[in-house]
Amino acid sequence: AQSVAQPEDQVNVAEGNPLTVKCTYSVSGNPYLFWYVQYPNRGLQFLLKYITGDNLVKGSYGFEAEFNKSQTSFHLKKPSALVSDSALYFCAVRVITGGGNKLTFGTGTQLKVEL
Amino acid sequence: NAGVTQTPKFQVLKTGQSMTLQCAQDMNHEYMSWYRQDPGMGLRLIHYSVGAGITDQGEVPNGYNVSRSTTEDFPLRLLSAAPSQTSVYFCASSYAATGYQSFTDTQYFGPGTRLTVL
Repeated sequence: AQSVAQPEDQVNVAEGNPLTVKCTYSVSGNPYLFWYVQYPNRGLQFLLKYITGDNLVKGSYGFEAEFNKSQTSFHLKKPSALVSDSALYFCAVRVITGGGNKLTFGTGTQLKVEL
Repeated sequence: NAGVTQTPKFQVLKTGQSMTLQCAQDMNHEYMSWYRQDPGMGLRLIHYSVGAGITDQGEVPNGYNVSRSTTEDFPLRLLSAAPSQTSVYFCASSYAATGYQSFTDTQYFGPGTRLTVL
């Protein structure tokens, strides 16, 4: 089945340390991958996406993600975490459906950055 | 641009009541969709539309109806609310509904409607 998985429900990081939020995918065909962030009581905000080309994708708020085809992963990273990065992060992938495609989401990872 | 707007922000219903969640976008996007967000389950697609007059079911369509009479609006109707429909509902849109660009376009989300069914 075509899907995306986020193996960690929660990630805790100290402010100033690097952070990684993990995502793995399973799709047929080329993977089109997205990361979104959700702050409390808000909608989802787009962070970055991988379509093709350079495996390191840079996005908003200093985030980047590394696409690894052999490991079917698309981990979100930031060199130095901020308390304000604390939020719920979703990985998503486009999957092919009968009539076209749809965006399928992981279950989300809660990031908590502490002083 | 206002982007994707949703009304109301909060709603409490009794079992069996009906209501319509409104969604509008001013970006001339072809593709619009409705998701529900439940703890530990991510976002699940309810219904989607690839253009005015065209709608289709997503993963969890039961209990919900949609229509798309204009490019801008995509309301979600609950005909007879049930406690299992207690959730946060998000509307989203993206520019292309078909072709290669539909795979690569960014989907933009509204602020959500928090619905409680008693």
